[in-house]
Amino acid sequence: EVQLVESGGGLVQPGGSLRLSCAASGFTFNTYNMNWVRQAPGKGLEWISYISDRSVTIHYAESVRGRFTISRDNANNLLYLQMNSLRDEDTAVYYCARDIAAPSYYHYGMDVWGQGTTVTVS
Amino acid sequence: SYELTQPPSVSVSPGQTASITCSGEKLENKYVSWYQQKSGQSPVVVIYEDDKRPSGIPERFSASSSGNTATLTISGTQALDEADYYCQAWDIYASYVFGPGTKVSVL
Repeated sequence: EVQLVESGGGLVQPGGSLRLSCAASGFTFNTYNMNWVRQAPGKGLEWISYISDRSVTIHYAESVRGRFTISRDNANNLLYLQMNSLRDEDTAVYYCARDIAAPSYYHYGMDVWGQGTTVTVS
Repeated sequence: SYELTQPPSVSVSPGQTASITCSGEKLENKYVSWYQQKSGQSPVVVIYEDDKRPSGIPERFSASSSGNTATLTISGTQALDEADYYCQAWDIYASYVFGPGTKVSVL
């Protein structure tokens, strides 16, 4: 079964740090680009970061650039999000999501999502 | 920054057709995907690459695009289709962008 399982969420004070993990299984992780998407309480989806299959290409949303770092460990099928200088507005459910397989430089969307991990900054 | 626009809500009677629009500058040049999110659940892709339906998604979900507007259509809407729906596109400057979401109510 294709699956993504996030972990690492919790309560953190403003200015603090947290590292989220996403464990992938059921597919060849090192051939897929990956994303982090978050959803603040009662709000819509916000894409925050993208990493290509071999970590060559990385993108961040303006709201997290310079504070968050995406990375991956293909040997162990893990995706990470290091979050520093956390703010109240970073409070959200964080999802990892798999990019739909597409030719290079094409982006069709996300076909597999984890259940999410909750980060509360307070 | 790139923005997508969706109506906040759409109401539909059971068995009728619901249409949700998504507008954005030069959207016709971008691939659009659509996600369904039911209360308390993770999003599920219902349409990707403008008009392709993943396996397991009912045929009543379809999509089209014309000019700066993409449209998700739910034909023969059922009560279980009640959810929030988000469009998404990739912009070369902003990367992935989500629309604000549309709440579909089946009344």
